Parts: sequence; structure tokens; C-alpha cells
Amino acid sequence: AQSVAQPEDQVNVAEGNPLTVKCTYSVSGNPYLFWYVQYPNRGLQFLLKYITGDNLVKGSYGFEAEFNKSQTSFHLKKPSALVSDSALYFCAVRDMRGGYQKVTFGTGTKLQVIP
Amino acid sequence: EADIYQTPRYLVIGTGKKITLECSQTMGHDKMYWYQQDPGMELHLIHYSYGVNSTEKGDLSSESTVSRIRTEHFPLTLESARPSHTSQYLCASSDSPGHPGVLGYTFGSGTRLTVV
Repeated sequence: AQSVAQPEDQVNVAEGNPLTVKCTYSVSGNPYLFWYVQYPNRGLQFLLKYITGDNLVKGSYGFEAEFNKSQTSFHLKKPSALVSDSALYFCAVRDMRGGYQKVTFGTGTKLQVIP
Repeated sequence: EADIYQTPRYLVIGTGKKITLECSQTMGHDKMYWYQQDPGMELHLIHYSYGVNSTEKGDLSSESTVSRIRTEHFPLTLESARPSHTSQYLCASSDSPGHPGVLGYTFGSGTRLTVV
């Protein structure tokens, strides 16, 4: 079975500082990995994904994530946080093998950027 | 058991046809969503609703339309299907604020649409 862990319920960071939102995963085969953001009263919004290739993936709004196979991690990063980045962030994983499977989501991390 | 139902599971249809994808939930959730899931498997929000008579367009532009006449029902309609509409469509619902996380989400099993 595949699973995703986001160990931090909330991350607080000062505006202008770098931010990291942690994610670790477990799958039987090779993973597809995703980050989504959820702003208040909105649906999930896709940020970025890792399928294969370069371990550093760049996405929307200046976010990037680094795939680390040995640590089974896919942490979300941004060099300089904005107040508007405050939202709920979800990591998700899907096993690359086989046919269609539902994506497994983490429990989410609330990011609070302090002015 | 409360759940969210999507029909049909699979649909192959000719270009120019009008189609409606059905989505119903029995949980009394206020918020409902339609996502399009492309071959890369990420979800893209195309429509959402906060409640009856409330509908909004999502982040991904879509030629589809939705309606929310009843709390439990959130159908998606394509007036004239085209091959570019071929995709997987996922419906979801969630609780009101207080449970904003994805754990508050329930996804349907999806409709795989192929337009030929």
C-alpha cells in the first residue's frame, strides 16, 4: 500500500525567509509525486510534480521540490516566502506501476507566513 | 454507507455529442468539486460549488458547465464533445470550514471519457 506523511501540522515562517514543507512517502514501485495548495474556500490547486528525470522540480509561484529516493522524501521549498503563500499544502503520491489508481494524499501542512 | 457516486465509469462518445457526467453524494456536504486528471495524473480544478445555486470556475479553463440545483447533485455537461475533452473526470465533496483538509474530501471513482 502507498502512503504519504507530512510530519508538521503547521509551519510558521517570516516573510522573506526560505520555507520548507516536509513530505515522505512509501510506495512499492517508483513514485509519481505531487504537491497541491489549498487556499481558503477553494479546491486543490496543482503546484508541481515529479515523474522522472531531474530530482529538483520547479513549479508554480516560485515553489520547487526535491526528490530524494534514498530518503523517500519530496520536500517543498521556496527561497523567499510571501504572505500570500499562507495556505494548506498537500503532498500526494501514486505508484507508477499498473493502471489507474487513486492518488494518496498526505494530511496537509498549514503554512503561515508572518509579515 | 455515505459515499460519492459518479456515473458512468467509462464513456466513449462521438464528436459533437452532448454529454452529462453525473455526480451525487449522500453526506450532505456543502462543497463539491470537479477535477480533470490528465495523463500525468495530477488533478486540475475545473469547477466548484459552495452550495445550492453556487458555482464557480476553477483554475483550468474548461468548456464544460455545471449546475447545483440540489445539495447532493453536481452534474457536469459538455454541450459538444471534442477529442480534446478526452480525459479522466473526478468529482469530490468536502465538509464546510472546520475540516478544510484533504481528509475532509471524498472523491468519486471517476469517469473516464473518450471522445472519438
